[in-house]
Amino acid sequence: KNEVEQSPQNLTAQEGEFITINCSYSVGISALHWLQQHPGGGIVSLFMLSSGKKKHGRLIATINIQEKHSSLHITASHPRDSAVYICAAHGPGRGGADGLTFGKGTHLIIQP
Amino acid sequence: GAVVSQHPSRVICKSGTSVKIECRSLDFQATTMFWYRQFPKQSLMLMATSNEGSKATYEQGVEKDKFLINHASLTLSTLTVTSAHPEDSSFYICSARDPGTGAYSPLHFGNGTRLTVT
Repeated sequence: KNEVEQSPQNLTAQEGEFITINCSYSVGISALHWLQQHPGGGIVSLFMLSSGKKKHGRLIATINIQEKHSSLHITASHPRDSAVYICAAHGPGRGGADGLTFGKGTHLIIQP
Repeated sequence: GAVVSQHPSRVICKSGTSVKIECRSLDFQATTMFWYRQFPKQSLMLMATSNEGSKATYEQGVEKDKFLINHASLTLSTLTVTSAHPEDSSFYICSARDPGTGAYSPLHFGNGTRLTVT
């Protein structure tokens, strides 16, 4: 069983909608990454956070350590936001040598 | 910002041939790089850790003789898929962490290589 669970797996929304993607993890972490994988496959690191909230442009990431839960929000969504969003839990003893356990990703489609 | 360049982005080869994929860190020195494989609609799976100047460390179930990794310099790691078979067709992606930004700094990913073995 993957220790990192994302929801929803697939999300289709209209341009302008507020988007929320959720990530839950089962054991303690040092940090949590949110990654964006473009249709061509390239991956961009959006956020790395260990507490609280971070904001970059229209993207907001929050994490609740006690509840072992993180959310990625997109405000005023746009078709160019269409991508797969992946959360990855980071910490000692996790995953492989990179210390990461990846979620399966949320496939987001924003329709014009 | 830090950039990792991966080449080629797409390759088609015949069964039995070998394919080399390069991963370069463009503006930082990476003593460690990671190689992942991703099947459609699946998570990234770590294959191996590439260590500059020493042998790579492979994850359980990954054949080291099939997936040869060389990290000859601080900015270049290569993954060679030897005697490729159709089941090796997948998306391969590398990453590196800028050591100057701490142990839990963000990973920088290459754009990936889509390998198709016919």
